[in-house]
Amino acid sequence: DAKTTQPTSMDCAEGRAANLPCNHSTISGNEYVYWYRQIHSQGPQYIIHGLKNNETNEMASLIITEDRKSSTLILPHATLRDTAVYYCIVRVANRDDKIIFGKGTRLHILP
Amino acid sequence: GAVVSQHPSWVICKSGTSVKIECRSLDFQATTMFWYRQFPKQSLMLMATSNEGSKATYEQGVEKDKFLINHASLTLSTLTVTSAHPEDSSFYICSATAGTRLYNEQFFGPGTRLTVL
Repeated sequence: DAKTTQPTSMDCAEGRAANLPCNHSTISGNEYVYWYRQIHSQGPQYIIHGLKNNETNEMASLIITEDRKSSTLILPHATLRDTAVYYCIVRVANRDDKIIFGKGTRLHILP
Repeated sequence: GAVVSQHPSWVICKSGTSVKIECRSLDFQATTMFWYRQFPKQSLMLMATSNEGSKATYEQGVEKDKFLINHASLTLSTLTVTSAHPEDSSFYICSATAGTRLYNEQFFGPGTRLTVL
């Protein structure tokens, strides 16, 4: 079973920040938090990952709570192209470690 | 960098035939590749883990004799759906890990849509 829980769906107005929460209360000390997204009929796309510090890249920011039991993915200025299913995953950063996808959050960006 | 391709992007076949799907890492060597299946409005389900030069490891409930996986080189893994039936119609996605330089993210292919008539 997936080790994370996410809301089933969320709406966000275009141009606003989209904040996607994720709970991972059983995360182990050596597990990273990864975020992927899947646009309809495409393969998943890597967004960002982190261990305990907040991270930012050209796509998004990742805020991880101090106890590491939850995190938030932030898309700072959502566009219609950000409409997708967003998956929060915890895994060891090992190349052989398989990803078990949960149901993710279906994000709708509203014009 | 870290591009994964799949071929074909879609395929339609008759029931009882076999279909081969290729997964290639275009600009990196992937010692580990993964195969997923996704039914409409569902999440990705891991089918098997494929390591170059060794037998694939299948997830529980996935028939290894029906879904043949070959990982013959560091850039190519193939999934063959043997004796396909309509219930095998699905979106098949592969992924590959790029090694420690890229923090072992899995990079996913664009997927192959299989329709069995």
